[in-house]
Amino acid sequence: GAGVSQSPSNKVTEKGKDVELRCDPISGHTALYWYRQRLGQGLEFLIYFQGNSAPDKSGLPSDRFSAERTGESVSTLTIQRTQQEDSAVYLCASSLRTITDTQYFGPGTRLTVL
Amino acid sequence: GNSVTQMEGPVTLSEEAFLTINCTYTATGYPSLFWYVQYPGEGLQLLLKATKADDKGSNKGFEATYRKETTSFHLEKGSVQVSDSAVYFCALRGSGGSNYKLTFGKGTLLTVNP
Repeated sequence: GAGVSQSPSNKVTEKGKDVELRCDPISGHTALYWYRQRLGQGLEFLIYFQGNSAPDKSGLPSDRFSAERTGESVSTLTIQRTQQEDSAVYLCASSLRTITDTQYFGPGTRLTVL
Repeated sequence: GNSVTQMEGPVTLSEEAFLTINCTYTATGYPSLFWYVQYPGEGLQLLLKATKADDKGSNKGFEATYRKETTSFHLEKGSVQVSDSAVYFCALRGSGGSNYKLTFGKGTLLTVNP
C-alpha cells in the first residue's frame, strides 16, 4: 500500500477486556511510532521502534500497555484489562530511516471502552 | 519538557479571508517545527516544516516562519478556500536525546464557508 494502514478503524470493547491494535507502516520504513489522542487533547507520544527494537517505552501510560514489532514491519499495540480512560484515537506513524525523517501517519484506530 | 500551545478553536472564516493560527512553543535547544493537517476522515498529513530559526516553511499557499525570539511558528494563509476546512496541529521535534518524538498542540478546527 501507499501509506500507513491501521486496523481496526473502530473498536468498541468492554472494560476489563484486552484489545490489539495493528499498524502496517510504509514499506521500507525502519522507524515506527505510536501516539494517542484523547478527546480535546493533542497527540501524546507512546513508543517508538527502530527496526524491531523499542529504545524508549517511557510514553506508555501503564504496564497494561505493550507493543511489539516484527520483521521490521507490522506492529501491534496491546492494551490489557482496558479502562474507560483508555478511550482515544490511537495513531501510528512511520519514517524512512532516521528519526529526523518526516513521520507519515495512518488514519488511526478509534477505541471506545464502555 | 517540551510543549506546544496553539490557539483554541474552532475558527470559522468565509472563503478568501485571511487566516492566522497562532502557535508558541517551549523547548530547550533548537527544535524543528511542523504544521500537520487532518482533513475530515483522513490521517494527519505534514503541511510544512522549518528546521532552524528564521526558516519559512510553505506549502499549498500556507506559510509559517520559525521565530526563535518569540518562540512562535504561526500559520498563515492569505486567502482560504472551502477545501482548507480541517484540523491543524502545530508540533515540534526536540533537538536533545528524545528527538524521535513529536510534541503536538491540541489542534485547531478550521471551517471555511462559501
